Amino acid sequence: AQSVTQPDIHITVSEGASLELRCNYSYGATPYLFWYVQSPGQGLQLLLKYFSGDTLVQGIKGFEAEFKRSQSSFNLRKPSVHWSDAAEYFCAVGPFDSSASKIIFGSGTRLSIRP
Amino acid sequence: DAGVTQSPTHLIKTRGQQVTLRCSPISGHKSVSWYQQVLGQGPQFIFQYYEKEERGRGNFPDRFSARQFPNYSSELNVNALLLGDSALYLCASSPQRQNTEAFFGQGTRLTVV
Repeated sequence: AQSVTQPDIHITVSEGASLELRCNYSYGATPYLFWYVQSPGQGLQLLLKYFSGDTLVQGIKGFEAEFKRSQSSFNLRKPSVHWSDAAEYFCAVGPFDSSASKIIFGSGTRLSIRP
Repeated sequence: DAGVTQSPTHLIKTRGQQVTLRCSPISGHKSVSWYQQVLGQGPQFIFQYYEKEERGRGNFPDRFSARQFPNYSSELNVNALLLGDSALYLCASSPQRQNTEAFFGQGTRLTVV
């Protein structure tokens, strides 16, 4: 069955420090992969997505993610975090065929920024 | 351009009652999906509607139903509410059937007491 694992529930980093959020997926083929961000009480905003091609994907707000097929991973990175990056981050995978719509989300990683 | 709009933003219901949540997709988008996000968890897929027909259903009981109107707006209905139905309900719209570009609304916070 398809699944997404975000092993880190909560991460705290200092402002200006680098960031890496981990994401592993389980799926038999190369999936569509997404990272979303959610501020408290808000909906989800798409940061970036990977479908095919270059395995290093650039997104909004200075984020990037790298797809590693051998590790079934799609980790999110940012070289220097800002206080405004504090939020919940969700990795997601899907849909799984041309007629499908289901996207599976991980349980999220809450990012706190230390001043 | 307006994004995905959901109403109401907050709602309090009593166990056993019924609730209707509404979603207006981005103009030109024909696909609407519904997700339930329980506190501390990621969103869980409930339904997708495309061109007014159900195209996908998640693992939710029959108490959950939805429909899509000719203008592509959508309603999610939940009958016989349980305490466990308390959650943020998110609507996402997409220009095509395959949800490779989903835009989310701000959600409706449902509290069941």
